[in-house]
Amino acid sequence: GDSVTQMEGPVTLSEEAFLTINCTYTATGYPSLFWYVQYPGEGLQLLLKATKADDKGSNKGFEATYRKETTSFHLEKGSVQVSDSAVYFCALSVTGANNLFFGTGTRLTVIP
Amino acid sequence: DTAVSQTPKYLVTQMGNDKSIKCEQNLGHDTMYWYKQDSKKFLKIMFSYNNKELIINETVPNRFSPKSPDKAHLNLHINSLELGDSAVYFCASSQGLRGGDGYTFGSGTRLTVV
Repeated sequence: GDSVTQMEGPVTLSEEAFLTINCTYTATGYPSLFWYVQYPGEGLQLLLKATKADDKGSNKGFEATYRKETTSFHLEKGSVQVSDSAVYFCALSVTGANNLFFGTGTRLTVIP
Repeated sequence: DTAVSQTPKYLVTQMGNDKSIKCEQNLGHDTMYWYKQDSKKFLKIMFSYNNKELIINETVPNRFSPKSPDKAHLNLHINSLELGDSAVYFCASSQGLRGGDGYTFGSGTRLTVV
């Protein structure tokens, strides 16, 4: 079935450190891939997306590249800030499935 | 503001009670969803409606009943609340069934059953 696996947290980094959160997927068709972010006490917000192989989604300094050969969509940021502390969710949607499949979420804490 | 708004934000109630959570979106989307987020932040789809028609009805106790009076509203009614129903419930909307442009989420309703 269709699913997403993302690295377990929590992840704790110092400010300005490099961030990678791994995400791999299994899909029967050609999925669209997403990263969502949930700040404390808030709902999920779309951070970035990619709809086909080799696409790169980017937003707010975060990037992720849709890699079909490794079925991955890893989230990266070159220099994290305290304000990036949140829970990050990888997700996919496939044709014929009428909802998003979410990973289990990775909590990121950035310390000054 | 264009958004998905859900009320109430917090709901504390006793076991056995019946409660409702309301959701409205003014984005012009045609598909709406209810998700349940447990204490470990795991998100699970509960229901999906497209143009007022039920599309997804996951394995959810029949104490949970969604109602969509129009495509801008999707309410969730819960009968005979149990301790295990305590969670954060998120409403979301998208354009189209696949949500290729992503979903817009409400800010959540934290339900605590005591």
